[in-house]
This record gives sequence, structure tokens and C-alpha cells, in this order.
Amino acid sequence: EAEVAQSPRYKITEKSQAVAFWCDPISGHATLYWYRQILGQGPELLVQFQDESVVDDSQLPKDRFSAERLKGVDSTLKIQPAELGDSAMYLCASSPFGQGYGYTFGSGTRLTVV
Amino acid sequence: DAKTTQPTSMDCAEGRAANLPCNHSTISGNEYVYWYRQIHSQGPQYIIHGLKNNETNEMASLIITEDRKSSTLILPHATLRDTAVYYCIVRVADGNDMRFGAGTRLTVKP
Repeated sequence: EAEVAQSPRYKITEKSQAVAFWCDPISGHATLYWYRQILGQGPELLVQFQDESVVDDSQLPKDRFSAERLKGVDSTLKIQPAELGDSAMYLCASSPFGQGYGYTFGSGTRLTVV
Repeated sequence: DAKTTQPTSMDCAEGRAANLPCNHSTISGNEYVYWYRQIHSQGPQYIIHGLKNNETNEMASLIITEDRKSSTLILPHATLRDTAVYYCIVRVADGNDMRFGAGTRLTVKP
């Protein structure tokens, strides 16, 4: 069964440092999503891509967060500088374009900012 | 505003059916009901979705009331591996927003 790949699985960083997460969606999935999940809460959408274009980044804290999907395949989410409140699970998901199916999620990157 | 309301937690005995309710009284005619679950330290997993009719797959059954204001996810024979947080989401078929609430924490007990 096809999977969404994410790396690293765990990341510990000091506050004010830069950190980056990588996601490789299922082959052929045009839509890619980044979610943030704080412990005890449901996932919160940060940004959505359709191919290489950003469709929705209204919840992305743009002063410190950036996301790109340059060739419309894999994607990188960056935080600079990291703050203590950024400690969370960062999840990537993908779905086929134009289909009413559910999303396939990766296993996530658990970020701890110290 | 939350589109769905779910109980915070539920318990179920192993081998029995788990019935997880969801209220979505403001659902629109073109919105589907989706269910996901999230096992500890993993990403959410798609379970099932439906519009009006009841749906069944290898994982679960989805029962949607005739007025579509509520639904129930049924795990027919719960196992310990079904212990997870279950999320009910309403969304248009090709919509952009799969928005998660807090979900229901289901604990299956031996």
C-alpha cells in the first residue's frame, strides 16, 4: 500500500534555531497538506498545495513558517526561528485532485523545542 | 464554529460492537461525513465516508440518519488495536477544508 513519507520522525531543536521537515506524498497525488497537531488536540491545517501552487495558507504563521513544493511533488515546511510553542506533531497528507476521497497521512514529525 | 459534536471519550469491551456517535445538525446538502481515526503517535487514518446512504467497508459501517443531522460509526467487533481517537468531519467532496475537532477517545478494554 502506498504511503506518505515524512522525515525526520523526531526532531529536537533549541529555540531561535531553524528547523525543516520533508514530505513525499503518494505518487500522482496533486494535493498536499501540512497539519500541526498540538498534544491533546486534533490536527490543524497549516497549508494546502495544489501541484506547486499554494491554495490555502491562511493558518500558516508567515512571520516564521514557510512551505514550498517547487516541482509539485515533495514538499518542505520550515520554521525560523523556532519558538517553544512550536512543539507539536507536524503531519503531511496527500489526496488525488478532484476526488471525494479521504486523505492519506504520513506518520508525522514530532518536534520538541527546548 | 465546530461543524460536528462528538463525546470526549468512550469505552468498549473487546469483541463487542463500538458505536461512536456524531452530531452535525448544520450539515449542508452537498457535504459528506468522513471518519478518521488516530492511533497513538501515528497520523490519522481514513476509515469511511458517506453522503446519505449507509456505508460499509472492511473497517467499519457508517449509519447516517435520514435527516442527516447525525451519524454513527460502528466497529462491529472491537479489538484492543481499535483503541484510538476517532474524528468525525463534514466536508464537501472536493473541498479544501478537512477540519479536525477534538474527536472521541475510544478505549477498548479486555
